[in-house]
Amino acid sequence: QVQLVQSGAEVKKPGASLKVSCKASGYTFTDYYMHWVRQAPGQGLEWMGWINPHSGGTYYAWKFQGRVTITRDTSINTAFMELSSLRSDDTAVYYCTRAGGGFGESFFDYWGQGPLVTVSS
Amino acid sequence: EIVLTQSPGTLSLSPGERATLSCRASQSVYANYLAWYQQRPGQAPRLLIYDASRRATGIPDRFSGSGSGTDFTLTISRLEPEDFAVYYCQLYGSSRSTFGQGTKVEIK
Repeated sequence: QVQLVQSGAEVKKPGASLKVSCKASGYTFTDYYMHWVRQAPGQGLEWMGWINPHSGGTYYAWKFQGRVTITRDTSINTAFMELSSLRSDDTAVYYCTRAGGGFGESFFDYWGQGPLVTVSS
Repeated sequence: EIVLTQSPGTLSLSPGERATLSCRASQSVYANYLAWYQQRPGQAPRLLIYDASRRATGIPDRFSGSGSGTDFTLTISRLEPEDFAVYYCQLYGSSRSTFGQGTKVEIK
């Protein structure tokens, strides 16, 4: 069965960087784009960007360009999302999610468990 | 950039009642590439509907999606206790994706 298992909760200082991992299993990792979505406490879902695990190509939401980097390691079926220059309003749950509809910019059929990242001095 | 607006913000209903949730796009949605998700407290979102009206695998038939162009609806025919949650619509099909702000379905 398809599973996306993410790294654990973290506490970061303002100005630091964050790197969240997402290990995929139960399917061919390179066949499906991986997207990242975050959710601040009590707020809605915010799309951040995606990676094509086959080619390594990426696309980021304008809001995060220059601060976010999504990468992958196909040898361990894992995607990574790195966010730099953290601020308090980056406190959120960060989800990885698979685009399952047969093309990269599709709907999201499987989600990771989403670790909470807290940015606080 | 297309903006999705969901209404109402909160829907107060009793178990067994019918729920009708709206998602309106600021421009026409290409190929009806619109999805609906359910999110229960403390859980990741769950895909309910894609392509505006297709139920995802394992989703009960009390959930249905309809609409085209700019106006879309998620209907829950008879609310079960586990259906009280937050629901999001999502636009996909281009390099950028976007979500509506959500509708909370709460017990009246």
